[in-house]
Amino acid sequence: EAGVAQSPRYKIIEKRQSVAFWCNPISGHATLYWYQQILGQGPKLLIQFQNNGVVDDSQLPKDRFSAERLKGVDSTLKIQPAKLEDSAVYLCASSLGLGGYEQYFGPGTRLTVT
Amino acid sequence: GENVEQHPSTLSVQEGDSAVIKCTYSDSASNYFPWYKQELGKRPQLIIDIRSNVGEKKDQRIAVTLNKTAKHFSLHITETQPEDSAVYFCAASGKEYGNKLVFGAGTILRVKS
Repeated sequence: EAGVAQSPRYKIIEKRQSVAFWCNPISGHATLYWYQQILGQGPKLLIQFQNNGVVDDSQLPKDRFSAERLKGVDSTLKIQPAKLEDSAVYLCASSLGLGGYEQYFGPGTRLTVT
Repeated sequence: GENVEQHPSTLSVQEGDSAVIKCTYSDSASNYFPWYKQELGKRPQLIIDIRSNVGEKKDQRIAVTLNKTAKHFSLHITETQPEDSAVYFCAASGKEYGNKLVFGAGTILRVKS
């Protein structure tokens, strides 16, 4: 079974620039998550999709972050404009559904904002 | 919303000894408690999980216990090995907040050989 795929793996940008991350979940997984993991901390949920609908985006900084999951499969997360404090690893995860299913994580995208 | 606290932040043990990591949660409606292991530069991977209708679960050298009354759960690793060295995260979720996982801050486990 193929795992969760993410790209790019690394990205370095200057503040105020924009950046986009891509995620392809495990086939058949209805639920997709984007997490932000700052160095030395646990992952923090940014947004959670069930198929192509948003379940929770309460911790997504909507003035600069946006995400979509067209057709209920792949997803993109965008930051525009980036700030220094956005430097983190962005993890995508997927699961069969909501509520107590194992979440499988992708390798993450390490973003450095200079 | 849910809040998960994890202790200790770092833990050093001798190879062969046991390691225990503890977490407390705030939302009594939480019903799913996974533990993830994250090696340096790698993705988090589920090592064991427990649901609120069970008090204890074991998988070889790893066990998790849950005390719903006290709202805390613990990870127990016996006969630790150097390859157990990693960061361990606990998490909690429940229907009250859309089943989203809230993670603890993590515990750095070092197993000395």
